[in-house]
Amino acid sequence: KAGVTQTPRYLIKTRGQQVTLSCSPISGHRSVSWYQQTPGQGLQFLFEYFSETQRNKGNFPGRFSGRQFSNSRSEMNVSTLELGDSALYLCASSSIGTGYEQFFGPGTRLTVL
Amino acid sequence: AQTVTQSQPEMSVQEAETVTLSCTYDTSESDYYLFWYKQPPSRQMILVIRQEAYKQQNATENRFSVNFQKAAKSFSLKISDSQLGDAAMYFCAYRSGGGATNKLIFGTGTLLAVQP
Repeated sequence: KAGVTQTPRYLIKTRGQQVTLSCSPISGHRSVSWYQQTPGQGLQFLFEYFSETQRNKGNFPGRFSGRQFSNSRSEMNVSTLELGDSALYLCASSSIGTGYEQFFGPGTRLTVL
Repeated sequence: AQTVTQSQPEMSVQEAETVTLSCTYDTSESDYYLFWYKQPPSRQMILVIRQEAYKQQNATENRFSVNFQKAAKSFSLKISDSQLGDAAMYFCAYRSGGGATNKLIFGTGTLLAVQP
């Protein structure tokens, strides 16, 4: 079975731009969560989607948004990028069949200049 | 709110020796799960071991075992016969039970170096 895939793997943007990151979960997984990892703040939960519905959201400004499609693929969008948005963005998927163990993707490294 | 604390930013161990990484957590919930994740330089997060709070028996996965002290809210990871490939950042994580969310709350991590 293919693992969680994230695209793109690396991204460079400038302040003020917007960006969309994509996550394809393991086949059959309906839950997708997103995390931001930075040296200063560590790993922080962004949001979680289950069957196309956002069921939990972390403490991030409204510039951070996400969605999930009917095939469970998920996207997150960051608008009006700031330097502090530079981070590794990790996506994880899970299913009831795995006891909701979360499987992580390789991440997208976003650099904001 | 739940919190996870890892008080050892860095640890070092000799190859073939044993090392213990510490983690404490705070919660008022009775149903929860605890995890140890490994993040090597490739940045791919890998689940090392999980512990259900309702289980008194400590979880074990090959060379990895935990010491789960529920009353003390402590969840340490013991790595036996350390190998060079064990060098990585290790994160302790908490998840509420009940199935309402899969949100993980992470500690700040412990960077483990393995000396040959």
